[in-house]
Amino acid sequence: QVQLQESGPGLVKPSQTLSLTCTVSGGSISSGGYYWSWIRQHPGKGLEWIGYIYYSGSTYYNPSLKSRVTISVDTSKNQFSLKLSSVTAADTAVYYCAREQDTDGSGSYFGYWGQGTLVTVSS
Amino acid sequence: QSVLTQPPSASGTPGQRVTISCSGSSSNIGSNTVNWYQQLPGTAPKLLIYSNNQRPSGVPDRFSGSKSGTSASLAISGLQSEDEADYYCAAWDDSLNGQWVFGGGTKLTVL
Repeated sequence: QVQLQESGPGLVKPSQTLSLTCTVSGGSISSGGYYWSWIRQHPGKGLEWIGYIYYSGSTYYNPSLKSRVTISVDTSKNQFSLKLSSVTAADTAVYYCAREQDTDGSGSYFGYWGQGTLVTVSS
Repeated sequence: QSVLTQPPSASGTPGQRVTISCSGSSSNIGSNTVNWYQQLPGTAPKLLIYSNNQRPSGVPDRFSGSKSGTSASLAISGLQSEDEADYYCAAWDDSLNGQWVFGGGTKLTVL
């Protein structure tokens, strides 16, 4: 059973960089076939996709966040990470990591999610 | 403002059938498949329906999905109290070089 677990500071100061790591267990990132995503949920609001990374290191970001986002992967640790720069209060949200898998031609979906971690941006 | 439009709330009594709609456009629902996620209070979203109408193993057949044109629907029959949750639709959007987009979520209340 694949499990994902987010970790990182719960409080970040405005203008600083938010850094989170997702540790994957029960499956290897480097086995390929999946895209590893970050998704966030503002308090009481809907879901917003941030971006994904493939085990090879190729990335794709939400155009609205692209200038501030970096997602990286460490296959030796079976982890992938998120960095969001120049944060403001508007970046306060629960951040989820998730595994996206393809259905061989009929789209893809997020089949596994981490439990989420709340990050608050405040001085 | 979410790219996909869902009603903010829905309700039903135990045993009833309820439907939740999700409206999009030609660049998302109109050209890609739709997934549905269930989020119980205080938990992470869970995949409920993928590829418009497919249920992952373990999801009861009370849950079903459909898609027509640029809209999709989630139906829950035989409503149970444990179905009280937030439901989100999602689809890949081909505009702006592509991105995942979600609905704003529908809070289902079991009366």
